[in-house]
Amino acid sequence: QKEVEQDPGPLSVPEGAIVSLNCTYSNSAFQYFMWYRQYSRKGPELLMYTYSSGNKEDGRFTAQVDKSSKYISLFIRDSQPSDSATYLCAMWAYSGAGSYQLTFGKGTKLSVIP
Amino acid sequence: EAGVAQSPRYKIIEKRQSVAFWCNPISGHATLYWYQQILGQGPKLLIQFQNNGVVDDSQLPKDRFSAERLKGVDSTLKIQPAKLEDSAVYLCASSLVAGLSYGYTFGSGTRLTVV
Repeated sequence: QKEVEQDPGPLSVPEGAIVSLNCTYSNSAFQYFMWYRQYSRKGPELLMYTYSSGNKEDGRFTAQVDKSSKYISLFIRDSQPSDSATYLCAMWAYSGAGSYQLTFGKGTKLSVIP
Repeated sequence: EAGVAQSPRYKIIEKRQSVAFWCNPISGHATLYWYQQILGQGPKLLIQFQNNGVVDDSQLPKDRFSAERLKGVDSTLKIQPAKLEDSAVYLCASSLVAGLSYGYTFGSGTRLTVV
């Protein structure tokens, strides 16, 4: 079983739809949970990060963490064509000797159709 | 603030050849990372530097990959000899401090194709 599982999609939705993206994980040592957005031929850029279980909202984006179920979600409200990108979940843990591991999911490719 | 600079953007080489990638992190960022992203996969950490010292290179294939950050600023990643399975995007990232989980800034990457 991989440490982080993410459905690669692709996911195609009409403009204005609510998008739900999810990841599960197996490593209880993960402390921070992040969502990155990656446009084609660009590096990942941080969208949101959370530490504790619960919800965190930033504009049209809501990140949700359920540590008991080892499950995280990203919701995008009123999706726009500019949201079309690959969304990567990432999880961070201290791995010892000054090393900090950021483990990524495979990414979900999202297309928002006008 | 200037971002993480990487060059070249694209590289095509034949198997068994050597190749080098360059990264210049954000000014003042002590921690530098090299990631490998194979098509359809998430980035995988290859090596982490703190200033000019290696903190974690446990996933670096040391028989063919090497990396250095001599003056604690820019870094090079080398592959010698390259294999077909090395075809990927090589991403460099930097952060101000090692423990800042949300502080990674990525470059646009170098896309390597090995034929």
